[in-house]
Amino acid sequence: GDSVTQMEGPVTLSEEAFLTINCTYTATGYPSLFWYVQYPGEGLQLLLKATKADDKGSNKGFEATYRKETTSFHLEKGSVQVSDSAVYFCALTKGTGNQFYFGTGTSLTVIP
Amino acid sequence: NAGVTQTPKFQVLKTGQSMTLQCAQDMNHNSMYWYRQDPGMGLRLIYYSASEGTTDKGEVPNGYNVSRLNKREFSLRLESAAPSQTSVYFCASSEQGNSNQPQHFGDGTRLSIL
Repeated sequence: GDSVTQMEGPVTLSEEAFLTINCTYTATGYPSLFWYVQYPGEGLQLLLKATKADDKGSNKGFEATYRKETTSFHLEKGSVQVSDSAVYFCALTKGTGNQFYFGTGTSLTVIP
Repeated sequence: NAGVTQTPKFQVLKTGQSMTLQCAQDMNHNSMYWYRQDPGMGLRLIYYSASEGTTDKGEVPNGYNVSRLNKREFSLRLESAAPSQTSVYFCASSEQGNSNQPQHFGDGTRLSIL
């Protein structure tokens, strides 16, 4: 079945460090891929998305490229801030989009 | 711009009590979802409704029932609460028939069962 695997956390970085959170997926066909962010005490918010191979999604300095050859959608940011501390979820959907498959989430803490 | 609204935000129940979690969206979305979030487990789908008048089981439906009251509202009911149902519950909505569109989430209901 379809699934998403993302790197275990927690991740702790110093401010201005480079961030990579790995995400790989298993799916037949052509899924759409998403990164969501969850701040403490809140629901998930869409961070970025990519809907076909080689697309790059970007938002707030975060980027992820849809790599069909490696079935990956890794999240990157060149210089993290304390305000980026949150839990990040990778997700996919496909077809009619009636079901979403989420990874288990990666907790990021950025220290000053 | 409310989006997805969940009530209540917090609730404490005793084992065996019943309650209904409410969810409403104002984005004219056809599809609505209920998830639970537990530490180390990520999000697990309880039930979803692809359109008004239809509901389907997700990954963890046991102990829950749902009602799609109309296009806007999708409620989740615990008939006889158990400590294993202590969790954070999220409602979400999305357009149906378009996998390019994301889900929109409420802020969650934090439920403790003693």
